[in-house]
Amino acid sequence: GAGVSQSPRYKVAKRGQDVALRCDPISGHVSLFWYQQALGQGPEFLTYFQNEAQLDKSGLPSDRFFAERPEGSVSTLKIQRTQQEDSAVYLCASSLMGLANEQFFGPGTRLTVL
Amino acid sequence: DQQVKQNSPSLSVQEGRISILNCDYTNSMFDYFLWYKKYPAEGPTFLISISSIKDKNEDGRFTVFLNKSAKHLSLHIVPSQPGDSAVYFCAASGGGANSKLTFGKGITLSVRP
Repeated sequence: GAGVSQSPRYKVAKRGQDVALRCDPISGHVSLFWYQQALGQGPEFLTYFQNEAQLDKSGLPSDRFFAERPEGSVSTLKIQRTQQEDSAVYLCASSLMGLANEQFFGPGTRLTVL
Repeated sequence: DQQVKQNSPSLSVQEGRISILNCDYTNSMFDYFLWYKKYPAEGPTFLISISSIKDKNEDGRFTVFLNKSAKHLSLHIVPSQPGDSAVYFCAASGGGANSKLTFGKGITLSVRP
């Protein structure tokens, strides 16, 4: 497909489990962003990659959150020892050069931690 | 603290009328503003944007107005159509590369046939 894809679309985890969320950006897009959207809130920035380099991780809420993009394409957001407050929709966006108006969002992964 | 505020959680308008969605911001470093539209179970879709050097940008039925002195922007949809019913997010950026977006909470627009 031509758009940003994310998998899984839905994930239910027991508290304490580790989860991995995948993002496939648009082919050729240099920049990749992760956002977290809690219920009733707008998306909040988590981290940013330019190719394989993680240039900004200021939004990651704790050291349980880890993101990688080893080959500058697919990215994985990993959450260790999930907590109930991690329940949210995790959105991935990619952009050709990182400019704000070019960010294309995927459908998100809805994570529910029981 | 919310740097981008959408104080009205919902808006209902009649088909054919104007929809006005408001947004306020507090961070003077923001210099690029965007509106995204979101349907359930989908990611946000870019709608329209405006640079801080402008006070108006128009694209078809959608117009965004920016009042920098008041740190306020608004999205006008004329005429409103039932297919416009969605959640609308206002977002702001410092511009340039690494343009992470700061979003408001969103407003749910319902357009009645």
